[in-house]
Amino acid sequence: SQQGEEDPQALSIQEGENATMNCSYKTSINNLQWYRQNSGRGLVHLILIRSNEREKHSGRLRVTLDTSKKSSSLLITASRAADTASYFCATDATQGGSEKLVFGKGMKLTVNP
Amino acid sequence: DSGVTQTPKHLITATGQRVTLRCSPRSGDLSVYWYQQSLDQGLQFLIHYYNGEERAKGNILERFSAQQFPDLHSELNLSSLELGDSALYFCASSLHRTGRETQYFGPGTRLLVL
Repeated sequence: SQQGEEDPQALSIQEGENATMNCSYKTSINNLQWYRQNSGRGLVHLILIRSNEREKHSGRLRVTLDTSKKSSSLLITASRAADTASYFCATDATQGGSEKLVFGKGMKLTVNP
Repeated sequence: DSGVTQTPKHLITATGQRVTLRCSPRSGDLSVYWYQQSLDQGLQFLIHYYNGEERAKGNILERFSAQQFPDLHSELNLSSLELGDSALYFCASSLHRTGRETQYFGPGTRLLVL
C-alpha cells in the first residue's frame, strides 16, 4: 500500500534555483527518509529525519517534518544539473511485527543548465 | 558506489523460465532487502532477511523465493516468469535488524521477459 506521496510529480527548474519537493503520508511514522535515483540506477540515501525532529540539514539539502500534518519537504538549494534525478520519500511501516520501508512513486526533477 | 553488488546487470529470458538474481551486501551489513521497481507499480518491497533469517515479507509472489546464505549474500529466485515480471530488481543492505533505518541500494538487475 502507498504510504508516501511526493508532490509535484515532476519539476523543471533552471540551474541555481531552489527546488522544493513535498511528501505526504497517511499513518504515524518513526522516521522518514529521502532517496535519489538517477535514471535506471540504484537509489541513493540522502537524509533520514526522525519523528521527534522538525528540521535537518545536509549540505545543500534541507528536510522538514511536520508530524501533525503528516508531511515532509525536501529543499535543494542552488540546484545543479547533476541534481537531475527522481526523488523518493520513504516512510517506515510495521507489518506482521516487522518494519519495512514504503516508498512513494517518486518525483522527477530536471535542472536545466 | 554503495558497496552493494548485484549480478547480473541485465537478464533477458522467456516466459515460463526461471532466473536467479544475486546480491552481495556491504561489508558488515547483516540485512538484505529485495525490491521490484516497475513503471506502473513503483518501488515495491519484496522481502527482508537478517543474518540468514527471513524478517519481513512484502508483495512477493509465490513464484518468487529468496534466501540469505551464511556468507550473507542473498539470491532471489523468480520462476514461471510472466511478461509482467519485467522490471528492475534492487537489492539493498543495512546494518540493522529493523527495516526502518537507512538502506544502501545496489545498481539493480534489469529483467526483461519476452
